[in-house]
Amino acid sequence: QKEVEQNSGPLSVPEGAIASLNCTYSDRGSQSFFWYRQYSGKSPELIMFIYSNGDKEDGRFTAQLNKASQYVSLLIRDSQPSDSATYLCAVLRPLYKLSFGAGTTVTVRA
Amino acid sequence: EPEVTQTPSHQVTQMGQEVILRCVPISNHLYFYWYRQILGQKVEFLVSFYNNEISEKSEIFDDQFSVERPDGSNFTLKIRSTKLEDSAMYFCASQGYTNEKLFFGSGTQLSVL
Repeated sequence: QKEVEQNSGPLSVPEGAIASLNCTYSDRGSQSFFWYRQYSGKSPELIMFIYSNGDKEDGRFTAQLNKASQYVSLLIRDSQPSDSATYLCAVLRPLYKLSFGAGTTVTVRA
Repeated sequence: EPEVTQTPSHQVTQMGQEVILRCVPISNHLYFYWYRQILGQKVEFLVSFYNNEISEKSEIFDDQFSVERPDGSNFTLKIRSTKLEDSAMYFCASQGYTNEKLFFGSGTQLSVL
């Protein structure tokens, strides 16, 4: 079983729509959960992080965490063409190891 | 905002040669990491470093790899005898406290010919 699993996509959404990204993880001891955005050839850029069950909102982004289901999601509201990128789910496992999913490629159509 | 600095941005080397990738983490950070990303593939964990020793390493991080923090500022990754399959983007990251977000450098693109 992979440590972190994401749908690879591509996920295509029209401008202004909601993009919904999902991620599951295997280690119940995981402590912190991150969403990174990566443009081609660039380093990962942190968008959101979440530690506790429930929702966390930051601007147009909402992260959701359900530890019982070992599930993390990211919603991007009012999607913009500049949101087109690969979104990486990352899970911090003991000790000091951040494991990445393979990423979901999002394309926002103008 | 403070940032993690990596040098060089690109490194080309011959198979079998040694390379050293350099990173300057954020100054008050305590945890340091190396990741790599082969073109078109996922970001892979290599090693974590805390309190001047390796905390955890992946199966990729074999005897050909080593890390050092020689002077309290630089954090280096050495590959002793490079192989073609070592060609990848290598990212350094640092973290202030456990469970906090990781700050990534802009990466070193390593090409082994």
